[in-house]
Amino acid sequence: DTGVSQDPRHKITKRGQNVTFRCDPISEHNRLYWYRQTLGQGPEFLTYFQNEAQLEKSRLLSDRFSAERPKGSFSTLEIQRTEQGDSAMYLCASSPSRQGGTDTQYFGPGTRLTVL
Amino acid sequence: TQLLEQSPQFLSIQEGENLTVYCNSSSVFSSLQWYRQEPGEGPVLLVTVVTGGEVKKLKRLTFQFGDARKDSSLHITAAQPGDTGLYLCAGRSGGKLIFGQGTELSVKP
Repeated sequence: DTGVSQDPRHKITKRGQNVTFRCDPISEHNRLYWYRQTLGQGPEFLTYFQNEAQLEKSRLLSDRFSAERPKGSFSTLEIQRTEQGDSAMYLCASSPSRQGGTDTQYFGPGTRLTVL
Repeated sequence: TQLLEQSPQFLSIQEGENLTVYCNSSSVFSSLQWYRQEPGEGPVLLVTVVTGGEVKKLKRLTFQFGDARKDSSLHITAAQPGDTGLYLCAGRSGGKLIFGQGTELSVKP
């Protein structure tokens, strides 16, 4: 399978704990995106990378959230001191970066986080 | 702030009926994409429209981009139970996508 993969698919944690999610993009895609989706809503943008550089962060990404893409391949999203409001589906997407292109984003299956 | 409003939010129809989903914004988008999402999975791209007035067809699905590139519609002819899912429109804003809130479609046999 050469699509975007995410691990774990499901995570249940207690309030106050730290969690880390991993995303492996489609190989040779140099852009990687993180989105958050709550029940009944469309995904909301969190941040994106071009290679290892983090180019944009949403105001939704509080200082408890940090994302890295150290070698320009896989990425991790860490949430510190989780709160019940962090419960959501965390989606990762990747795309090639083409000048003037439509830059289609391909999504992974997501990580469902439940904070008790 | 760029926003995309989708309507209706929920749609429950019988197999064989036609339906249209709308996606509207006050902002211009360079391109607009339609995704379909099933429960517990990530969105899957259906189509990208780029040119104002563009119409694209994908089997029983017809997508249209407004002339001013601020709105789009998705029309499904003779809906089938397999069309059930969450339909999302998304517009490009710089490097990221701005999503509508989605239309939950249920097609009953």
